This record gives sequence, C-alpha cells and structure tokens, in this order.
Amino acid sequence: AQKITQTQPGMFVQEKEAVTLDCTYDTSDPSYGLFWYKQPSSGEMIFLIYQGSYDQQNATEGRYSLNFQKARKSANLVISASQLGDSAMYFCAMREISDYKLSFGAGTTVTVRA
Amino acid sequence: DSGVTQTPKHLITATGQRVTLRCSPRSGDLSVYWYQQSLDQGLQFLIHYYNGEERAKGNILERFSAQQFPDLHSELNLSSLELGDSALYFCASSSLDRGVDNEQFFGPGTRLTVL
Repeated sequence: AQKITQTQPGMFVQEKEAVTLDCTYDTSDPSYGLFWYKQPSSGEMIFLIYQGSYDQQNATEGRYSLNFQKARKSANLVISASQLGDSAMYFCAMREISDYKLSFGAGTTVTVRA
Repeated sequence: DSGVTQTPKHLITATGQRVTLRCSPRSGDLSVYWYQQSLDQGLQFLIHYYNGEERAKGNILERFSAQQFPDLHSELNLSSLELGDSALYFCASSSLDRGVDNEQFFGPGTRLTVL
C-alpha cells in the first residue's frame, strides 16, 4: 500500500502568490516524521521542512510552512510569495519509528509563471 | 551543497555490463542510504548501511549489491545491467541510523543510462 500520496501531478502558480501542495500519508506507527524535498531540473534533492508527529505546532521555514492535520493524516506544504526559482518537483516523504528509510510520494511539479 | 559527494555524475553503459557508483557521506555521518529514482517507479529505497553494517534492504535487485567501507564511503554495484536499470541513483547520509527526525542529506546523484 502507498504510504505517501501526492494527488497533484502538476500545478501552475503566479509569481508572488501562494501555492499549497497536498500530501496524505498512511502509517500505524505512533511516531513518525514528515519531510518535504525540492528537486529542481538539475536533479539534486533539497530538504525544505520537517514535521514530527508529536510536534504541537506546524513547522515553518522561511517561505515554507507545513499544514499538519494529524487526524486527517495530511501534511500539506504551503509556499508563500512564489518565485520563479520555486519551479521544481516537490516530494513529500515519511520516516516511521519502525523503519530506517524515507518513503516518498510520486511528487508534484510546480511551475511558477511570471 | 549537502556535503555528500557522488561519483560519477553521469554514466552511460551497455546492457549486460557492470558499474560501480561511489558515495562519500557528510563528515561525521555514519549512515548511508541508496535510493533509485526512475520514471516508472519513482523514488525507491534500495539499501541502508550504518557504520559498515547493513541495516535494511528495500527493493534492491539481486543483481545489485552495496557495501560501506571503514572510511564510511559506500559503493553500489550494479551488474548484468538492463535497460530498465536506467535511473538516477541517489546516496544520502545521516548521523544516526534511527530516529524519525534524523534528516537525510542527499548527494547530487549519479545518472545511469543503459543502452
């Protein structure tokens, strides 16, 4: 079964506007971590933000924020004030307490329009 | 720059051949993970080493093997290559082997093309 689901294959956003990327997850572990990575066309994987399952507050890192809804098992990434350099593929990933690896979703391609 | 290095950056080879991908983790990191990114399978975990010991295996084919050396660098060996092995292979490192908040730092990847 898919552990991470990203239902939006691609999105367009106007420069300076905000965009929300959806991510839902499936786990029975009591403790887990959720990560978002950015992959530009050059291919490298860039860590953006982390949310722990026991964290009381939503994580924020600069223009990135994570809308964590534990009961709904969702961890949506919000990018505010989009810039042309935000055009990339974005991956949601999860690490469970019982596991060593990161499980990735299929990714969402974001294209920022000028 | 994540501090994780991978060589080579690109590799083009023929079916049936064998290749070795190399990874050097960030200074001080004991864990090395290998992932494969392909168009049809997405990002898949292959294998994890911690301080020289294999800790977990994912969807790694029997034709593939890996090891982590005493200096902590790791090599992923791919043999009897098939067209479907063409992919971007990432190495990631982290300081610990467990922990949900144990961030993995990714290298730039090795793009393998099998012709």
